[in-house]
Amino acid sequence: EAGVAQSPRYKIIEKRQSVAFWCNPISGHATLYWYQQILGQGPKLLIQFQNNGVVDDSQLPKDRFSAERLKGVDSTLKIQPAKLEDSAVYLCASSPWRGGITQYFGPGTRLTVL
Amino acid sequence: SQELEQSPQSLIVQEGKNLTINCTSSKTLYGLYWYKQKYGEGLIFLMMLQKGGEEKSHEKITAKLDEKKQQSSLHITASQPSHAGIYLCGADEEGFQKLVFGTGTRLLVSP
Repeated sequence: EAGVAQSPRYKIIEKRQSVAFWCNPISGHATLYWYQQILGQGPKLLIQFQNNGVVDDSQLPKDRFSAERLKGVDSTLKIQPAKLEDSAVYLCASSPWRGGITQYFGPGTRLTVL
Repeated sequence: SQELEQSPQSLIVQEGKNLTINCTSSKTLYGLYWYKQKYGEGLIFLMMLQKGGEEKSHEKITAKLDEKKQQSSLHITASQPSHAGIYLCGADEEGFQKLVFGTGTRLLVSP
């Protein structure tokens, strides 16, 4: 079974630029999560999707971050414009609807904002 | 909101030694997850505990849940260099199917 795929693995941009990250969850997993992990901290949930609907986006900075999961499968997280404090690893995770809430994580995208 | 405190923050042990990592929650635990993360990589699921007193093992790693103390411990027996990494505990916040994570414990195993 293929795991959670993310791309790109690394991205370096200058502040005020835009960036997008892509995630493809494990096949059949209805729930998809995006986390932000700043160096030295644990992951922080940004947004949770159930199929193509948003379940929780209370910690998503909506003035600059957006995410979508149009067909209920893969998802895109966008930052526009980026700030220095957005430098972090962005992790995508998925879990099955009926399989408990154990989340399976992708390798992450390391973003550096200069 | 729920907060998880992990101790110690970092740990260096000699290969072959045992070690314990603790995770304490500020609120009632509905489910406690342990993950391992290697630098620059995603999180690898280790095990999940749901009931007070529950204990699970995977290879040389054992985790226990003390519901009354709102605490979980992760114990590694006879540590190996492959055990090195960051260990993160995560809790299901109030049963809402979203995880809150601790800040992690960085483990180094010296040969």
